[in-house]
Order: sequence, then C-alpha cells, then structure tokens
Amino acid sequence: KQEVTQIPAALSVPEGENLVLNCSFTDSAIYNLQWFRQDPGKGLTSLLLIQSSQREQTSGRLNASLDKSSGRSTLYIAASQPGDSATYLCAGKLLQGAQKLVFGQGTRLTINP
Amino acid sequence: EAQVTQNPRYLITVTGKKLTVTCSQNMNHEYMSWYRQDPGLGLRQIYYSMNVEVTDKGDVPEGYKVSRKEKRNFPLILESPSPNQTSLYFCASSLSGGLGGYTFGSGTRLTVV
Repeated sequence: KQEVTQIPAALSVPEGENLVLNCSFTDSAIYNLQWFRQDPGKGLTSLLLIQSSQREQTSGRLNASLDKSSGRSTLYIAASQPGDSATYLCAGKLLQGAQKLVFGQGTRLTINP
Repeated sequence: EAQVTQNPRYLITVTGKKLTVTCSQNMNHEYMSWYRQDPGLGLRQIYYSMNVEVTDKGDVPEGYKVSRKEKRNFPLILESPSPNQTSLYFCASSLSGGLGGYTFGSGTRLTVV
C-alpha cells in the first residue's frame, strides 16, 4: 500500500529565504507525482507534475525533483515571499493498482515579512 | 479556461435530507473522482469513474452514491446525510490513467447538522 509522508508538518521562515519541502513515498512504482498548493479552506492548485521518467520540473521560483530509487521528492522554493504562505501537498499516482492519488498530510508553510 | 466546477461551494443541511453536489469538467477527461478532506485524515478518495457508466469505490464510499451518465459530469449524492459526512469535498479529473496530472475543483464545504 502506497504511503506518502511529508516532513516537516509545519515550517516558518523569514521572507527571502530559499527552502525545501520534503515528500517520501513507500512504493517506487510511481507513475507521476504532483505538488499542490492549498490556501486555508480553499481548493487545490496544481504547482508541478513530474512524470516517472523525469527527474525534475521547474516553474518560476519553484523546482520539484523526483528520485524514485530513494522514494523521495522535494519542492524547492527560491526567494520566498509572504504570498507563498499556504499548505503544500504532494500526491503520487501508482503505475498499477488503485486509480487514485495518494496524498501526504501536507506541510503548512508560513513566510514572515 | 480548462477547469473543474463544483456546486455549491458551501452547503448546510440537516441530517437525512438528500443532497447532490455537482461536478463538471470541460477538458474531455475520461477519469473523474471525488475526495473528502478532514483534519488529521488528509484527502481520501470516495468514488471514481474511469469513463461514462464506469464507476468504482474508493477508500471511503459508505453513505455516498455517484453516477456518470455524461463524460463531463460526475455528481456526488448523499441519500441520507449524517453529521460524520461534514467535510470539505473535492472533485478531480484527469486524462485516462492520470496522464497529465489531476485538476481539482474549488471544493464544497458541507455541514450536516
């Protein structure tokens, strides 16, 4: 059974810092991995999608990596801003088996001005 | 604009009163799914559909029904809502097999009193 873990559960940093959010998964037979952003009580906004054949994806100040052999993905946020404050969720889709995304519990990020 | 549209955004109802949450996507996606999000439990899949007239249970299907009569629509039906179904609900869609990642709706906040 695929399990996804995100550490830390919460992170507070000053504005301008570069930071890394971590996501680990137990089953390396992963089809793709997606990072989402969720503001309090709001919907999920897709940030980056990494296919199993890819090592990383970039969008603006965001960079996500995927290492299937170690079962890890990271989301790197450069030059953080207060507007980046939100909960970040990673979710994996397995190659076979259940037709669903398996979500981590999320990292609640606070960027202090 | 490519999107998943859920209605209503907020709903307060009483125990036992049947309700339907609608979900529609305009991306011609084969796959659609419903999730619920609860504090401490994360996002859990309720039902999913691989295509028209093809639906299957997710992890927490009890108390819910779905139908997929048209490709674009995937309503979630609560025949007799109970307070333990108070939650934040999300509809999602993707191309077959999760290709291209998943797009989520803005969510429906349901309160059952």
